Amino acid sequence: AQTVTQSQPEMSVQEAETVTLSCTYDTSESDYYLFWYKQPPSRQMILVIRQEAYKQQNATENRFSVNFQKAAKSFSLKISDSQLGDAAMYFCALRTSGYALNFGKGTSLLVTP
Amino acid sequence: DTAVSQTPKYLVTQMGNDKSIKCEQNLGHDTMYWYKQDSKKFLKIMFSYNNKELIINETVPNRFSPKSPDKAHLNLHINSLELGDSAVYFCASSQGQGSYGYTFGSGTRLTVV
Repeated sequence: AQTVTQSQPEMSVQEAETVTLSCTYDTSESDYYLFWYKQPPSRQMILVIRQEAYKQQNATENRFSVNFQKAAKSFSLKISDSQLGDAAMYFCALRTSGYALNFGKGTSLLVTP
Repeated sequence: DTAVSQTPKYLVTQMGNDKSIKCEQNLGHDTMYWYKQDSKKFLKIMFSYNNKELIINETVPNRFSPKSPDKAHLNLHINSLELGDSAVYFCASSQGQGSYGYTFGSGTRLTVV
């Protein structure tokens, strides 16, 4: 079974600061993909960043980067220079073989001025 | 031009009624999905279709029936609605198994009264 665990239900960060959201996962497969999705109050699910398991290099998209530790099965998201618009629910997701993206329970990120 | 569009965005209906949610994607993807997001924001796969064929049918009551008339459309019909069906339903699409992620619609908030 594939599982995704986000242990932080809520996080808070001040504008311009850096915050890291944690995610661990479990799979017996060697070929898989990991994603972070953002869900603002508008409800839209927005893809933030993607990581291929066979690539050792951590993915980066502008202010968003990941720390992918394959042996530890850890996939954390770092948001640098936080902005008010970053406030949202963040979901970690795992795609192994088959046609399903398995999500964690989410972390609610609050950004304070 | 919306990539994955769902209609309606909001649906309020009485227990026992039958309702449908429509989904269309214009991305040329060959795989489409229905996800349910419960009141705690947890996202769970319901169905997955690849080239109009049902690939995933999770443990979902028989009252839920997906229909894919072509690769660009995946509709969800729900019979005999119950209070517990109240949730946000997301349609999504991907190319193949979604190695590059899924593109989500904006969701349909279903409220059963």
